[in-house]
Amino acid sequence: EADIYQTPRYLVIGTGKKITLECSQTMGHDKMYWYQQDPGMELHLIHYSYGVNSTEKGDLSSESTVSRIRTEHFPLTLESARPSHTSQYLCASSDDYNYGYTFGSGTRLTVV
Amino acid sequence: GENVEQHPSTLSVQEGDSAVIKCTYSDSASNYFPWYKQELGKGPQLIIDIRSNVGEKKDQRIAVTLNKTAKHFSLHITETQPEDSAVYFCAASITGFQKLVFGTGTRLLVSP
Repeated sequence: EADIYQTPRYLVIGTGKKITLECSQTMGHDKMYWYQQDPGMELHLIHYSYGVNSTEKGDLSSESTVSRIRTEHFPLTLESARPSHTSQYLCASSDDYNYGYTFGSGTRLTVV
Repeated sequence: GENVEQHPSTLSVQEGDSAVIKCTYSDSASNYFPWYKQELGKGPQLIIDIRSNVGEKKDQRIAVTLNKTAKHFSLHITETQPEDSAVYFCAASITGFQKLVFGTGTRLLVSP
């Protein structure tokens, strides 16, 4: 079944650690996105990609980085986690035909 | 750039009542307006969308209306049920450019 997968679902990590949040989709979508969702619900775009080797920063400044080496994979990395990075991270993808986004279930990150 | 405002931020209704969530957008060139439902612990899921060449679209108990002149669109849920309780997001974009601009979300609570 075509879908978008995020791992891990939950992560508790200490300050200063390097982490990578995984996002993979099996739909062959060219476009992928990372959102940070705060407890107040709002979705903040932090990174997006329109294809392999294409990455752009979103509307909300983030210390994270992303890469897009394969169409199906769009990982997000934090080199040195801080408590201010505690949040829900959502990955999404879309194609040029249906326009709507398909979201993953999210990774809830807690930095202690 | 596009800006989407969403109201109310919270909405409480009794089971069986109707619920209406309203959004306004700023860019008259926007032509695609999806609505997403986010249940607890999950990513947002597309529930209905409308393009600017139609004024209303229905799918069972949910409907979306679009007023291009006033630049606002609304989600209507009739005969609400407890399982409708979730956070709802509206969004707008110009097709071809793909990046959706999301509203700030509405937390809907349906009480039995």
